[in-house]
Amino acid sequence: EDQVTQSPEALRLQEGESSSLNCSYTVSGLRGLFWYRQDPGKGPEFLFTLYSAGEEKEKERLKATLTKKESFLHITAPKPEDSATYLCAVQYNAGGTSYGKLTFGQGTILTVHP
Amino acid sequence: DAGVTQSPTHLIKTRGQQVTLRCSPKSGHDTVSWYQQALGQGPQFIFQYYEEEERQRGNFPDRFSGHQFPNYSSELNVNALLLGDSALYLCASSLWSNYGYTFGSGTRLTVV
Repeated sequence: EDQVTQSPEALRLQEGESSSLNCSYTVSGLRGLFWYRQDPGKGPEFLFTLYSAGEEKEKERLKATLTKKESFLHITAPKPEDSATYLCAVQYNAGGTSYGKLTFGQGTILTVHP
Repeated sequence: DAGVTQSPTHLIKTRGQQVTLRCSPKSGHDTVSWYQQALGQGPQFIFQYYEEEERQRGNFPDRFSGHQFPNYSSELNVNALLLGDSALYLCASSLWSNYGYTFGSGTRLTVV
């Protein structure tokens, strides 16, 4: 079964304490891997799209990387306002039947304490 | 630049009733997808509409149906509501040929 798994489920950091979130996937025919941030009661907010192994993208304190089986979201010197749920999703083409939809992981709840 | 607009923001329905949720896509987008997000879970794909047709469907029963209008807006209908249908319903819009998805803030549906 095609699957996207995120770890850890929850992460508590002190302000300035860098760390990484993991997203592993088992789908074939990957077309793109997406990272979203979601605040409580809100819709997911787009962060990055990665298309091929070895690709990296950065935005402020966040850096996303991609290998053939997983992606990492590195958070450097986080601040309390980085507290949110971070969602990973994949889009893949399996004989034309999966194209279009995003398959999400369950998310990592990040809490950054001042 | 208006993003994705969903209405209503919150809704309480009784088991067995029917509900309609609405979505206006981001300006310039022609494709609308619907997702269900249970508390503490990632969003689950319901279906996707393009050119007023359902193009792809996730693992949801026929009680879930949708429609896309000529102006690209969309509706999600759920019949015979169950307690388990309580969730945040998210609409995402995109261009058919593009990977970028923009999500709305969702409709929180509570079934009692």
